[in-house]
Amino acid sequence: KAGVTQTPRYLIKTRGQQVTLSCSPISGHRSVSWYQQTPGQGLQFLFEYFSETQRNKGNFPGRFSGRQFSNSRSEMNVSTLELGDSALYLCASSFWGFGGGLNEQFFGPGTRLTVL
Amino acid sequence: EDKVVQSPLSLVVHEGDTVTLNCSYEVTNFRSLLWYKQEKKTPTFLFMLTSSGIEKKSGRLSSILDKKELFSILNITATQTGDSAVYLCAVEASGNQFYFGTGTSLTVIP
Repeated sequence: KAGVTQTPRYLIKTRGQQVTLSCSPISGHRSVSWYQQTPGQGLQFLFEYFSETQRNKGNFPGRFSGRQFSNSRSEMNVSTLELGDSALYLCASSFWGFGGGLNEQFFGPGTRLTVL
Repeated sequence: EDKVVQSPLSLVVHEGDTVTLNCSYEVTNFRSLLWYKQEKKTPTFLFMLTSSGIEKKSGRLSSILDKKELFSILNITATQTGDSAVYLCAVEASGNQFYFGTGTSLTVIP
């Protein structure tokens, strides 16, 4: 079956703009998690959506938000972009949520965001 | 503060060598520890560990967890150039909290 897809793959924005990233999970998966990966901070959890509800949230400012649609596709929005938001944004889908085995997370290819 | 620390940060070995990657954690309400291999951008799942002392094995890779000392190791024997990647350790805590280490970058040279 098709894997997790993310669009766009690359994005260049300027400070102050806003951006929306999209993630389509594996068919049948109901959980979508978003992560930010930077060289200095590693992989950091942003939030997780399950059945259109945000189930958990990491320690990111309110400029980072997301939503999930009835088909489990998820979007992540970052408003008022800052230079430090430049990162690789990964989404991962699973049937129930984070964890391996039956609940294994499958990651998408990521969106590389550059803020100038 | 909950955290996951991986060591070493980077490693360069020759094909055929055996490597051991370390992951220590301080996370309250621990549920599981997971290892991922990240090539280019996409992490792929390797192991999930929930119980101490039980080795998980997949081919040349194996991993074990020590919940008393709060660490895990990932062993790769007879390394190949295809093992070159960043290896990520993540800890899942109750309440769907997830913490990742910064990763160990492994380079295997022929």
